Amino acid sequence: AQSVTQPDIHITVSEGASLELRCNYSYGATPYLFWYVQSPGQGLQLLLKYFSGDTLVQGIKGFEAEFKRSQSSFNLRKPSVHWSDAAEYFCAVASSAFSYDKVIFGPGTSLSVIP
Amino acid sequence: NAGVTQTPKFQVLKTGQSMTLQCAQDMNHEYMSWYRQDPGMGLRLIHYSVGAGITDQGEVPNGYNVSRSTTEDFPLRLLSAAPSQTSVYFCASNSGTGMNTEAFFGQGTRLTVV
Repeated sequence: AQSVTQPDIHITVSEGASLELRCNYSYGATPYLFWYVQSPGQGLQLLLKYFSGDTLVQGIKGFEAEFKRSQSSFNLRKPSVHWSDAAEYFCAVASSAFSYDKVIFGPGTSLSVIP
Repeated sequence: NAGVTQTPKFQVLKTGQSMTLQCAQDMNHEYMSWYRQDPGMGLRLIHYSVGAGITDQGEVPNGYNVSRSTTEDFPLRLLSAAPSQTSVYFCASNSGTGMNTEAFFGQGTRLTVV
């Protein structure tokens, strides 16, 4: 069965510091991978997604993620964090390109940013 | 541009009461879905619809009903609320079922069942 783990429940970084949020998935074939961000009181917004091709994916707001098949990981990175990046981040995996009911979300990582 | 609108934003129910969470989208999207978000568990799919008149169950459908009479609206009904249904509920819509489409989420409804 598919599963997604995000090992870090909460991370605190200083503004201007680099960020890496970890995501590991369990799935037999090549998965479809996503990162979403949820700002306080808001719904989820898609940051980026990986379907195939280049394993380094660029997203919105200066985020990028790298798909590493050998490590079953899809870690999210940002070189310099801004205070507005404080939010909850969710990694998600899907087994099907044609059915959103097959999307599994991770438990989320809460990011705090120190000014 | 309203996107996906959920009402109410907050609700407190007593055990056994029924209510309907409303969801409306103005993007003419065919695909709509309901999720619940619980601490440490991410989002779990309750029900989804691939178009007007068509609905199906997700991962955690028990205790919830849905219907889709129009493209715009996808209400979620709690038939007899239980404390286990205390959660934050999100409605989402996509322009299609293909994964190359993006899901747009509402702002959520925070439900407490006492």
